[in-house]
Amino acid sequence: EAQVTQNPRYLITVTGKKLTVTCSQNMNHEYMSWYRQDPGLGLRQIYYSMNVEVTDKGDVPEGYKVSRKEKRNFPLILESPSPNQTSLYFCASSLKWVGTQYFGPGTRLTVL
Amino acid sequence: GIQVEQSPPDLILQEGANSTLRCNFSDSVNNLQWFHQNPWGQLINLFYIPSGTKQNGRLSATTVATERYSLLYISSSQTTDSGVYFCASDKAAGNKLTFGGGTRVLVKP
Repeated sequence: EAQVTQNPRYLITVTGKKLTVTCSQNMNHEYMSWYRQDPGLGLRQIYYSMNVEVTDKGDVPEGYKVSRKEKRNFPLILESPSPNQTSLYFCASSLKWVGTQYFGPGTRLTVL
Repeated sequence: GIQVEQSPPDLILQEGANSTLRCNFSDSVNNLQWFHQNPWGQLINLFYIPSGTKQNGRLSATTVATERYSLLYISSSQTTDSGVYFCASDKAAGNKLTFGGGTRVLVKP
């Protein structure tokens, strides 16, 4: 089944403890992206990747890192999480830089 | 950047009713998508529709790119249609979707 998967789905952590949210797609998509969703602010793009080893900042990249070493994986790294990064995170992918984006199931992160 | 506005913000429907959701965008776009966010938070792709009309079961969408709006039609609504409907569009390279504020739909039995 064609899909975007994220892990973990739920995470409660403490300030400063490094964490990684994984994202994987099995559709051979070139383009991958991370969004966060917050009440009153909607969905905003954090980082995106046009292809392997090609990444760029979205609207709200501060406090996040990404890497794209393989086409299928696009992990989101929080080196030192803070409470303002408590949010619902979505990974998305599309075949090319234009076209339908498919979203993962979301990761609900709480930073205490 | 591009602005995306949706209306109405909230919609309460009786099961079986039809409805129209509207999305206005401020500039010409490469991409226009409609999503349904279900009560569990999952974002479900409904349509990729930068122009023209598409139909999928009880749902259909029309985008008039020259007039910068898109419409989502829900016919014979069911309780499972409840949730938030988002439209999202992008203009520039990078496929960065800008989301509208959403329309929260509640379908009552």
